Order: sequence, then C-alpha cells, then structure tokens
Amino acid sequence: DIVMTQSPDSLAVSLGERATINCKSSQSVLYSSNNKNYLAWYQQKPGQPAKLLIYWASTRESGVPDRFSGSGSETDFTLTISSLQAEDVALYYCQQYYNTPPTFGGGTKVEIK
Amino acid sequence: QMQLVESGGGLVKPGGSLRLSCAASGFTFSDYYMSWIRQAPGKGLEWISYIGSGGSPIFYADSVKGRFTISRDNSKNSLYLQINSLRAEDTAMYFCARARIVLAAKMIDSWGQGTLVTVSS
Repeated sequence: DIVMTQSPDSLAVSLGERATINCKSSQSVLYSSNNKNYLAWYQQKPGQPAKLLIYWASTRESGVPDRFSGSGSETDFTLTISSLQAEDVALYYCQQYYNTPPTFGGGTKVEIK
Repeated sequence: QMQLVESGGGLVKPGGSLRLSCAASGFTFSDYYMSWIRQAPGKGLEWISYIGSGGSPIFYADSVKGRFTISRDNSKNSLYLQINSLRAEDTAMYFCARARIVLAAKMIDSWGQGTLVTVSS
C-alpha cells in the first residue's frame, strides 16, 4: 500500500496569512502515460461531509475558492491557502488514488492564531 | 443538490452484525462507483470498499475482507455495507462516498456525514 505522510499535524495561522500543508507519498503517484499525479485534497469540518478541494494534485474542484491551490509532483505535494479565512478552520487530508487501496494522509488541523 | 445520507449505525456487542445504508439523491446513482470509508476515534481515514456502478467489480481492504460485504440497489438509489463478526477495532464513523471515474482512476468526489458504529460489550 502507498503510505501518505502529512505535515504538520496542526498549524495556527493568522487571518489573512498563508497556510501550507505538506504531503509525501511512499512511492510516486505520477502516471507516466498521461503525466497526471493521482493526488487529491479534502477538507473536513465538524458535522459536515468532507469536501473535495483539489484533484490531479493541482486542479480545483468546481466552486472551491481560488485561495486554495495544490502543487507538487511524484512524491511531494503541497496544499496552500493563500489568505486564511475563518471558514477555512478544518481538518485537511491528502489522498492518493493511483492504485487500490486508496490511502489517506493522517490529516492536518488548521486553526486561527 | 447531491446528498449522501448514512444510517444503521449503533452500539453492538463484539461478534455482532450491522447493516449500514446510504441513501443517495441529487445525481444519477447508477452512473457512479460507490465506496465506504471509516474513521476510528482520533484516527485517520481508512478506505474499506468500492463497488462498481452496476454492482461489480467489488474491492475490499485486506482488514475487512471476509467480514464486510458491500452491495447496492440502483432501483432504490441505495448503498449498503453488511458488517459481520464485529470487533472493538471496527468502532468508527463510517462514511459513504461517491467515486468519479476519470482516466481509469476512482476519484472520491463526495462524502456523506457518516454513521457511528460502536462495538462494545
């Protein structure tokens, strides 16, 4: 199974400041035939369904604010919230869908400083 | 607005069984792969199973193979998870999720709010 490792476990950022979450996979999730990274990011708020934010490592899901961006390739990925808003307080997970079983990172809790 | 609503969770004794259900609405259920994912208290997310749009293929995590059975009824827009021989380590929130098939990959794009299963004597 591909192991996904996220860092940090939690971070506190001031409103309007940048938040950066890292995700590392134990093997490449880049499919060479189509040059796509099979990596997604999700946001989970208490009492709400988890929400897909980013797929193909950097493609924003429809309706996701453009302050959310994803980057990286092969084994190292980053989710950036460019200007943290109060409604962004949540848990964030990366997930690979390169193969079965799909696996998730341990999660990063984002809070307001 | 698409929606996934899980039900069927509860408190069950070790060795017992439960059947979880997920009611889907707001999209053409029969067009999508569906999945179950769980999250134990204070732990990360663990994928459990996929089922194809027509009922096959089916995939399971090694940790649940032989005890869990995924199924669906497209006429009722419903997904199910039969859980047998429950163990304390099965205690978790169980989420129903929809998977979009793109470039031969199964990408989870929507989740329900979950139903809590507690295994305790």
